[in-house]
Amino acid sequence: QVHLQESGPGLVKASETLSLTCTVSGGSISDYYWSWIRQTPGKGLEWIGYVYYSGSTNYNPSLKSRLTLSADTSKNQFSLRLTSVTAADTAVYYCARIVTVRGRGNWFDPWGQGTLVTVSS
Amino acid sequence: DIQMTQSPSSLSASVGDRLTITCRASRNLSLYLNWYQQKPGKAPNLLIYAASSLQGGVPSRFSGSGSGTNFTLTISSLQPEDFATYYCQQSYAFPRTFGLGTKVEIK
Repeated sequence: QVHLQESGPGLVKASETLSLTCTVSGGSISDYYWSWIRQTPGKGLEWIGYVYYSGSTNYNPSLKSRLTLSADTSKNQFSLRLTSVTAADTAVYYCARIVTVRGRGNWFDPWGQGTLVTVSS
Repeated sequence: DIQMTQSPSSLSASVGDRLTITCRASRNLSLYLNWYQQKPGKAPNLLIYAASSLQGGVPSRFSGSGSGTNFTLTISSLQPEDFATYYCQQSYAFPRTFGLGTKVEIK
């Protein structure tokens, strides 16, 4: 059974870079696409983007100018890097596997437990 | 972006009640609509995918229906462990978007 675990600093200073890693166990990251999603009380659940092991990515346009997603097959991990953060980037960040079935769409399953990142001024 | 509108935003119900939550999309999604359950302090958990397919391990009291722009999640007989927040999510177009959630509370 696939398990995902987010890791990274829980506190980031405004204008600096937020970096998170998702470690996948119980399966290979080469087999699926992988996504980051964040959650705030004000905006709810926001899809950040996805990454494939090959380096292929798709970003939410609202974050595209500040976002980099990458994957490391040697460590079975994928990562998020968000630059020039502000208080609006304070959120619980989740990583999730994307399951796709042709003709039926795709969905996020499973999710990591989530990690709270607070941007301080 | 496709806007996902859930109703109601919250409701109070009793154990054994039949519950229906509605999700409306701003564009035709065909069947590309998923439902998740989230309990406090936990990550969302997939319940229904492709509008009406029950995820493995999810109790059969949960069901989904709809197509196009209108979808529903139904809980046939509410159980104590079902008190949570429910979200719909579209996989028709990028960026993926979620509804703001429906919080189900105990009456």
